[in-house]
Amino acid sequence: EAEVAQSPRYKITEKSQAVAFWCDPISGHATLYWYRQILGQGPELLVQFQDESVVDDSQLPKDRFSAERLKGVDSTLKIQPAELGDSAMYLCASSSLQNTYEQYFGPGTRLTVT
Amino acid sequence: GNSVTQMEGPVTLSEEAFLTINCTYTATGYPSLFWYVQYPGEGLQLLLKATKADDKGSNKGFEATYRKETTSFHLEKGSVQVSDSAVYFCALTRYGNKLVFGAGTILRVKS
Repeated sequence: EAEVAQSPRYKITEKSQAVAFWCDPISGHATLYWYRQILGQGPELLVQFQDESVVDDSQLPKDRFSAERLKGVDSTLKIQPAELGDSAMYLCASSSLQNTYEQYFGPGTRLTVT
Repeated sequence: GNSVTQMEGPVTLSEEAFLTINCTYTATGYPSLFWYVQYPGEGLQLLLKATKADDKGSNKGFEATYRKETTSFHLEKGSVQVSDSAVYFCALTRYGNKLVFGAGTILRVKS
């Protein structure tokens, strides 16, 4: 069964350092989402891509976060500089154009900022 | 804006007990509603969904009915197992875009 891949699974970094996360969606899925899940809360959307274009980045803290999906396949989410409040689970999800109502999630990257 | 409210947990049950996790929503129009489950250390898995009023979603013994009149989508299971222990999230989407999640409800099932 096809899955969404994410790496790394765990990342520990010091504040003010740069950190990057990678996501490879299910093959053929045009829509890719990055969510942030703070401990004890539900995930919240950071950015949504349709192919290589950003559809929604209204909740992305653009002073320190950036996201790209250059070829419309895999994607990278970057934080620079990291702050203590960025400690969270970063989840990637994807969906197909034929069924945008079902999003498939990867295992997530657990970020700890010290 | 759109929002989802879930009952606070943790919910602790004995094996074979009946489960209800309450979920209510606020949204314009007619959202699609979902329940996702998250096992420790893992991502979210879609458990069930309903796309219009009075639809019943079901999977693995879990059920939820889309109630427009009460803006609710409560999750139920007749007999829980230890393996059902996880965090359950209610969520909605409009037009198949971003999911809006509730805060999640921890379920602990004791043998």
